[in-house]
Amino acid sequence: ETGVTQTPRHLVMGMTNKKSLKCEQHLGHNAMYWYKQSAKKPLELMFVYNFKEQTENNSVPSRFSPECPNSSHLFLHLHTLQPEDSALYLCASSQGGGGQTVTDTQYFGPGTRLTVL
Amino acid sequence: AQSVTQLGSHVSVSEGALVLLRCNYSSSVPPYLFWYVQYPNQGLQLLLKYTSAATLVKGINGFEAEFKKSETSFHLTKPSAHMSDAAEYFCAVSRRNTGKLIFGQGTTLQVKP
Repeated sequence: ETGVTQTPRHLVMGMTNKKSLKCEQHLGHNAMYWYKQSAKKPLELMFVYNFKEQTENNSVPSRFSPECPNSSHLFLHLHTLQPEDSALYLCASSQGGGGQTVTDTQYFGPGTRLTVL
Repeated sequence: AQSVTQLGSHVSVSEGALVLLRCNYSSSVPPYLFWYVQYPNQGLQLLLKYTSAATLVKGINGFEAEFKKSETSFHLTKPSAHMSDAAEYFCAVSRRNTGKLIFGQGTTLQVKP
């Protein structure tokens, strides 16, 4: 595998279910991101991790719980979601690290299409 | 605060015609600007980025963009559209000191034969 991979690619869940999204990057990067892409809205940054430490939580509801066990893996745990949470969830990574440059290019995975019934 | 506005949610061109996708930014400090492309069922791919070097930036697949400070614009162009260019295009600005990207709403490019 190369680049950034995400599993599953599609997920349908009920509002009472608990599920997890997985992201893995094979680029040797230190920073990882979760974005939400809804129809007709700009991409919304949800979380940022740098060297496994969360550096940004963009006022995301607690029903979304991220986990970053190492610099290569990022999870998004989901529970008691609402239908309005249906969206494409994109993971990205960048070189990051100490003194992260603002010119870091972010590399995106293909996304997980989530449908909440 | 920084923001990006993409003018036109849908643009349709004929194959071989000029592609022009518009992006205007708002920033109180010199910005870093990006264009990403998203093909159906795929993630975003970087086309090009402006980082305060040359104002005319060349990217992949024949695309280029020009940073115009006086107009606060960073429009994306390609001289001749190909069918394979049909996709959604996102302009983004980077917040200084964080590397965080703020995206525009996207422009869907349709290429007609």
